[in-house]
Amino acid sequence: NAGVTQTPKFRILKIGQSMTLQCTQDMNHNYMYWYRQDPGMGLKLIYYSVGAGITDKGEVPNGYNVSRSTTEDFPLRLELAAPSQTSVYFCASSYGAWRGNTGELFFGEGSRLTVL
Amino acid sequence: EDKVVQSPLSLVVHEGDTVTLNCSYEVTNFRSLLWYKQEKKAPTFLFMLTSSGIEKKSGRLSSILDKKELFSILNITATQTGDSAIYLCAVHFTGTASKLTFGTGTRLQVTL
Repeated sequence: NAGVTQTPKFRILKIGQSMTLQCTQDMNHNYMYWYRQDPGMGLKLIYYSVGAGITDKGEVPNGYNVSRSTTEDFPLRLELAAPSQTSVYFCASSYGAWRGNTGELFFGEGSRLTVL
Repeated sequence: EDKVVQSPLSLVVHEGDTVTLNCSYEVTNFRSLLWYKQEKKAPTFLFMLTSSGIEKKSGRLSSILDKKELFSILNITATQTGDSAIYLCAVHFTGTASKLTFGTGTRLQVTL
């Protein structure tokens, strides 16, 4: 059972470059999320999606974009990388409300991004 | 604004000690409170609490929620070096989407 899979695990970017972090889940979860975690800090929500075709901003969306064309995939795009985006990024998914959503998130292994 | 505050921020104990980690919250439309353990990679789920006063227990870990005073504690008895991790508290609130708001975490280090 793969669960939530993120790629790449590590990436170094130069300022101004663009990249996409890929996330896919095989649990048929409706809800998907992108969080970032800075050193010594908790997780901050960047974007989330409640189903294919629906996305919304979280606490820290600036500098990022997302799309959700299928239930399985939720890529995160950085258009013009900045040093402030150096962080560890976690993709997560959860059951939708129709499954009596308890709020438990299933996390990917994380992607460590450094912007120099 | 929804807020989750954990204390202490970090803690160093000796193996065998008992520790108590705290989590307080200010969240509208509260649904549940979750505890996660984070070692080197992704957070792993420990407990979910929805009702006040009912203790959840798993081995040496236990947790309880007080919905009146808006806090939860996570206890770890007879700590081991393998308990060294960041412990994250998160609150699930209902709204247009089911989201978790995380605290900053408590970094626990257990030494020999």
